[in-house]
Amino acid sequence: GENVEQHPSTLSVQEGDSAVIKCTYSDSASNYFPWYKQELGKRPQLIIDIRSNVGEKKDQRIAVTLNKTAKHFSLHITETQPEDSAVYFCAASRRGNTMRFGAGTRLTVKP
Amino acid sequence: DAGITQSPRYKITETGRQVTLMCHQTWSHSYMFWYRQDLGHGLRLIYYSAAADITDKGEVPDGYVVSRSKTENFPLTLESATRSQTSVYFCASSATPGATTEQYFGPGTRLTVT
Repeated sequence: GENVEQHPSTLSVQEGDSAVIKCTYSDSASNYFPWYKQELGKRPQLIIDIRSNVGEKKDQRIAVTLNKTAKHFSLHITETQPEDSAVYFCAASRRGNTMRFGAGTRLTVKP
Repeated sequence: DAGITQSPRYKITETGRQVTLMCHQTWSHSYMFWYRQDLGHGLRLIYYSAAADITDKGEVPDGYVVSRSKTENFPLTLESATRSQTSVYFCASSATPGATTEQYFGPGTRLTVT
């Protein structure tokens, strides 16, 4: 089955800096890659997703890139703000299969 | 977000007791999921359901039972709770077949087994 690895497990950046979180997946048939943000004590919420027919997707300060050949995808957050502090989860799935999540990255943005 | 709810939000139970966690969604989503969240493991799938009366095992199903008699409800039962089942449990739903669209999560249930 699918296996998703996520790095780093913790990340601390200064406000205004960029943050990058990386994930690798094992199932070459995976075609959907969402990223979820979970604030302390809250539920996970989708912030951005990408499909395998697209190499990059942006939404304001957030972007996701996908390298199908290498089977890895990354979340990029630019101009980080304290409210970006949260745990971020990547995931991978394909039609007919369930979604597999990475172990999460705790991002801390220092003011 | 108000479309998917979980109850109770917090539960303390003793080892060996049966406990049921409830999940209710108002969107008529076909797919529903149960995850547990433990530090260092992310979200791990326990069981999922493609429609009423259709359920299947996920990654960590042992010790859990599910049912889905109605589309909107997906209860999770721990038949004989163990300390290793202390966790935060999230229910989720998805509108389309498979797992290739957004999953909407409930607020979670924090379960402690003493």
